[in-house]
Amino acid sequence: AQSVTQLDSQVPVFEEAPVELRCNYSSSVSVYLFWYVQYPNQGLQLLLKYLSGSTLVESINGFEAEFNKSQTSFHLRKPSVHISDTAEYFCAVSSRMDSSYKLIFGSGTRLLVRP
Amino acid sequence: DAGITQSPRHKVTETGTPVTLRCHQTENHRYMYWYRQDPGHGLRLIHYSYGVKDTDKGEVSDGYSVSRSKTEDFLLTLESATSSQTSVYFCAISEIGPQETQYFGPGTRLLVL
Repeated sequence: AQSVTQLDSQVPVFEEAPVELRCNYSSSVSVYLFWYVQYPNQGLQLLLKYLSGSTLVESINGFEAEFNKSQTSFHLRKPSVHISDTAEYFCAVSSRMDSSYKLIFGSGTRLLVRP
Repeated sequence: DAGITQSPRHKVTETGTPVTLRCHQTENHRYMYWYRQDPGHGLRLIHYSYGVKDTDKGEVSDGYSVSRSKTEDFLLTLESATSSQTSVYFCAISEIGPQETQYFGPGTRLLVL
């Protein structure tokens, strides 16, 4: 069965510093990869996704993630974070199991940006 | 923003009572999902629906049932609430299935005393 690992439960970082949030998954067969963001007291919203094509995907607010099939990873990066990036970030992997797709979420990484 | 509402947004109930949470969408999406969010666990799928009257279990379905009599509504029922079901519940929708983007509602915070 597919599993998704986000090793860092919390990542503190200073404003304007770079950040990487790590995500590894167990099975690389026919996967679709997502990063969702959850701001305080809100639902999740899509940050970016990899379905096919270029392994580097970008969001409109400066985040990017790279699909690495050999490492079974989909790490999220931003070269310079803002206070407003403080949120919880969830990696999710959709893979084919039996005759249908299942979406599995990681446990989340709380990004805390300090001034 | 996708048109997804959840009701109630907050609820406090007692152990042993039945509870029903409602998810309503205005997007006419085929798939609807119920998740629970707990610290350290991320989101875990309870049940999902792939059409009117078509539902299936997720990874944490024990103690929960669902119904979907209309495209726009997906109900989650806790048959006899327990303290372990204290959680934040999120509804989500998608057009063609779990392999694509899901759009989430604002959540329902449930406390079982």
